[in-house]
Amino acid sequence: AQKITQTQPGMFVQEKEAVTLDCTYDTSDPSYGLFWYKQPSSGEMIFLIYQGSYDQQNATEGRYSLNFQKARKSANLVISASQLGDSAMYFCAMREGIAGGFKTIFGAGTRLFVKA
Amino acid sequence: GAVVSQHPSRVICKSGTSVKIECRSLDFQATTMFWYRQFPKQSLMLMATSNEGSKATYEQGVEKDKFLINHASLTLSTLTVTSAHPEDSSFYICSARTPPGSGAGELFFGEGSRLTVL
Repeated sequence: AQKITQTQPGMFVQEKEAVTLDCTYDTSDPSYGLFWYKQPSSGEMIFLIYQGSYDQQNATEGRYSLNFQKARKSANLVISASQLGDSAMYFCAMREGIAGGFKTIFGAGTRLFVKA
Repeated sequence: GAVVSQHPSRVICKSGTSVKIECRSLDFQATTMFWYRQFPKQSLMLMATSNEGSKATYEQGVEKDKFLINHASLTLSTLTVTSAHPEDSSFYICSARTPPGSGAGELFFGEGSRLTVL
């Protein structure tokens, strides 16, 4: 069963506008972490933001914020003021606790295209 | 942030040969490293968890005799693709977490190794 679901294969956004990339997850482990990574065409994986399952507030890192809705099991990434350099693949990931062996698994990814 | 280095970045080999990929944590000790495989335009699939000083833990469906993992020190894990075939062509990427208590437990990734088997 899919544990991390990203339903948007591709997204377009106008430069300087905000965009939301969707992510839903499935786990029965009460302790887990949610991550977003960016993968440019060069292939490197860049860590963007983290949200812990017990965190009360939504995580923010510069232009990135994570809209964490625990009851809905969603962890959407919001990128504000999009830049051309934001064009890349974005992966949502989850690390479960003991039940999941502390492994990190990834969603299918969303390719973001920023238009000038 | 922590630095993970992977080598080689690209390798082309003939079918039937073996290829070794190295993954090093440069500024921290990594008792655990993770090896992922990524096909073009697809997600990262966890292949195995590499544990320093002990056997790797392989994910279901990953052939341990095909993909040999050795984690000989706290800063080095190697993945050897044995008797490579064209279907093994892929992007292999390693990662490590910093020790507990430092950071959010995010993974730091190597640059990745693109393997092409002719």
